[in-house]
Amino acid sequence: QTVVTQEPSFSVSPGGTVTLTCGLSSGSVSTSYYPSWYQQTPGQAPRTLIYNTITRSSGVPDRFSGSILGNKSALTITGAQADDESDYYCVMYMGSGIWVFGGGTKLTVL
Amino acid sequence: EVQLLESGGGLVQPGGSLRLSCTASGFTFSTFAMSWVRQAPGKGLEWVSTISGGGGSTYYADSVKGRFTISRDNSRNTLYLQMNSLRAEDTAVYYCAKGRQQHFDSWGQGTLVTVSS
Repeated sequence: QTVVTQEPSFSVSPGGTVTLTCGLSSGSVSTSYYPSWYQQTPGQAPRTLIYNTITRSSGVPDRFSGSILGNKSALTITGAQADDESDYYCVMYMGSGIWVFGGGTKLTVL
Repeated sequence: EVQLLESGGGLVQPGGSLRLSCTASGFTFSTFAMSWVRQAPGKGLEWVSTISGGGGSTYYADSVKGRFTISRDNSRNTLYLQMNSLRAEDTAVYYCAKGRQQHFDSWGQGTLVTVSS
């Protein structure tokens, strides 16, 4: 079964820019996988950030953006803030009703 | 405002059964696919199951296929997950999530299932 890969951890300075990626163990990510991104802080439910590769969910600041970067889906945070320190998950739609989450990236802002 | 409220979690022995519920409000429940996503303690998110708006199509992760059954009652705006033959590795917070345009656009707060003797 295809594995969705994410960086386990990343750090960014306040005000800096960071790009998290989401790949596949075999093959390239395309819009056909409808990649979406979610933010989660400890003890809280996930929050939807980006869907259909590039579309920001309602209420999400425009410093969060999605793209395809090379053969991966990417989430870029521009002007990182302290409260962006969270876990970030991507998920891919594999077709036939099947979804696969990545392992998540723990983002530290320091 | 979309609201999803899970219930039914608790402590169950290995091999036991449990039924989770998710009561929805703030949208036309029957027109949206619904899913269950779980998170084991200290681990990442794992998709469990999805059901179409009308209930006619269901999908499962390999890890739960044959043991879990997803269903819905559109007259009660409620989603269910019947979990049988529970294992220690099923211990997790279970979230229900509303589907839209091929993503999970709203989430409940989750209900904790603990499988232990």
